[in-house]
Amino acid sequence: DGGITQSPKYLFRKEGQNVTLSCEQNLNHDAMYWYRQDPGQGLRLIYYSQIVNDFQKGDIAEGYSVSREKKESFPLTVTSAQKNPTAFYHCASSIQSAYNQKLFFGSGTQLSVL
Amino acid sequence: DQQVKQNSPSLSVQEGRISILNCDYTNSMFDYFLWYKKYPAEGPTFLISISSIKDKNEDGRFTVFLNKSAKHLSLHIVPSQPGDSAVYFCAASQQAGANNLFFGTGTRLTVIP
Repeated sequence: DGGITQSPKYLFRKEGQNVTLSCEQNLNHDAMYWYRQDPGQGLRLIYYSQIVNDFQKGDIAEGYSVSREKKESFPLTVTSAQKNPTAFYHCASSIQSAYNQKLFFGSGTQLSVL
Repeated sequence: DQQVKQNSPSLSVQEGRISILNCDYTNSMFDYFLWYKKYPAEGPTFLISISSIKDKNEDGRFTVFLNKSAKHLSLHIVPSQPGDSAVYFCAASQQAGANNLFFGTGTRLTVIP
């Protein structure tokens, strides 16, 4: 069964702590994305990656870091520099195409600060 | 600065009637638009899209209309079914295949049996 798996579903962060959100896909998609959603707001792009070992900042990259060592995996680290990390985090993937922007999403991770 | 706006946070419709979800955008460079649907505890799923060279795109019970001069698009669902109850997100980009989609805040549709 192809899809995107995000873990954990719920995550709590203490002050000054880095936490890592996992995202794995078995759709053989080239591109992967991380979005953040705050209550009452739309999804905003944090980082994206079009190929292995390459990634680009989105609109709100400050306080976050990513890696793309494997095609299937795109973990997001929320660093202590992110002062307001409480949000819902969406991971997505897509075929890299000039004609198609159909994103496939995981079920998300809710991050809260203790 | 919210470039894509969905001004109705919620909408209730009787089963069998038409549901109309609206979306406005401010960036005139947007030329590709998508609708996503989200059930609780699941990620958004792609529903339908439209390019700015068209003013209408239809897929079964779902039709998206684009009015470029008004910077407005709408999603029509006819007839509405209880399984359509979900949150609907409008999204836009400056070109198909671009890596940054701008999302609206979502509209929660409830279809009453």
